[in-house]
Amino acid sequence: GAVVSQHPSWVICKSGTSVKIECRSLDFQATTMFWYRQFPKQSLMLMATSNEGSKATYEQGVEKDKFLINHASLTLSTLTVTSAHPEDSSFYICSASGSGGNTGELFFGEGSRLTVL
Amino acid sequence: DAKTTQPPSMDCAEGRAANLPCNHSTISGNEYVYWYRQIHSQGPQYIIHGLKNNETNEMASLIITEDRKSSTLILPHATLRDTAVYYCIVRVASRGKLTFGQGTILTVHP
Repeated sequence: GAVVSQHPSWVICKSGTSVKIECRSLDFQATTMFWYRQFPKQSLMLMATSNEGSKATYEQGVEKDKFLINHASLTLSTLTVTSAHPEDSSFYICSASGSGGNTGELFFGEGSRLTVL
Repeated sequence: DAKTTQPPSMDCAEGRAANLPCNHSTISGNEYVYWYRQIHSQGPQYIIHGLKNNETNEMASLIITEDRKSSTLILPHATLRDTAVYYCIVRVASRGKLTFGQGTILTVHP
């Protein structure tokens, strides 16, 4: 299957700082990428949909000014957690779908575990 | 997207077939059934998907009932590495995002 890579796989930061997580599609062009968040023992919750060259669409309850998403190319989307607080500690996962021709399977990155102290 | 219902947990002996059920009684005609799994602290892994015919790949088989209101994911020879949370999701193929429920925690034991 297609490969999606995230970096970093884990990060620890101080409260108030900003953290950037990268999501790359390695062997296909991803017109759309999705960002999910997962708290311990819970399921994945969609945060936002990122379309190449346009503004991201955020799910209800997700602060767009806190979780900045940039999808500047067909192989890269970034999620920046601004002014991180301990409650932002979570497992962040991206997924991507290619452009046309498939029946919609998404491929996921390995996830990035954020710990805010 | 149609809602799915899965048992919260299941056990399976190593080497035996694991049959994971999923109910999706409100599925629409253009909605596919997708299965993903998530091993602890990893991103979800695509397993298989189907519309109305049974499907098989190197990982699993997907059996969809004729009325499409339920399906079963079959892992023919479960191994310890198949221990994971398995998610059954239905959605229109072109809609993009996947909405995850609580899934089934499959534990494969020796």
